[in-house]
Amino acid sequence: DAGITQSPRYKITETGRQVTLMCHQTWSHSYMFWYRQDLGHGLRLIYYSAAADITDKGEVPDGYVVSRSKTENFPLTLESATRSQTSVYFCASSESSGSNQPQHFGDGTRLSIL
Amino acid sequence: QKEVEQNSGPLSVPEGAIASLNCTYSDRGSQSFFWYRQYSGKSPELIMSIYSNGDKEDGRFTAQLNKASQYVSLLIRDSQPSDSATYLCAVSVYSGAGSYQLTFGKGTKLSVIP
Repeated sequence: DAGITQSPRYKITETGRQVTLMCHQTWSHSYMFWYRQDLGHGLRLIYYSAAADITDKGEVPDGYVVSRSKTENFPLTLESATRSQTSVYFCASSESSGSNQPQHFGDGTRLSIL
Repeated sequence: QKEVEQNSGPLSVPEGAIASLNCTYSDRGSQSFFWYRQYSGKSPELIMSIYSNGDKEDGRFTAQLNKASQYVSLLIRDSQPSDSATYLCAVSVYSGAGSYQLTFGKGTKLSVIP
């Protein structure tokens, strides 16, 4: 089925470990985004990508690394996880960068760091 | 800092009533506005977009935009218990280099009482 798929759906890890969250979309959308959602903060943009090999920081990029070697994939890596990174992570995509372009979200990854 | 403000709620309405959800934004240059619905434990789902002043209707949903007042609202007519969710207002904000990002409000939790 076409759409945007995130994996894993749930992840528990320990502080200091590296963890990678995967995002795959089949729409051939140019833009992809990573958000985290926390109580009291709403959705906050971590990183986004305009195309393969083009990425840029969002509002809360510290502690995260992204790459985009292929248009359809946009993994998010926590190089050394901290408890403050416990959150629900959403990947999203949009067809282009235009003002009128909505974003479409994956099902999310619930990440717990012990 | 571009801001999007929503009342956090909860907003409780009886079944069959009209639910009115409000959103204000700080960036006068914003041109595009979106409403997302998010059920508990699920991802945001796009339900409405609006780009011009006035009303836009889609089934039981009506989005209203007043750019002069920097105000956008969502009306849900004949509210149903299945409408109980958190509603996120998103505003398209220019981020430079021809790109736009969505800035999200923290959401209003709606509860429709049978």
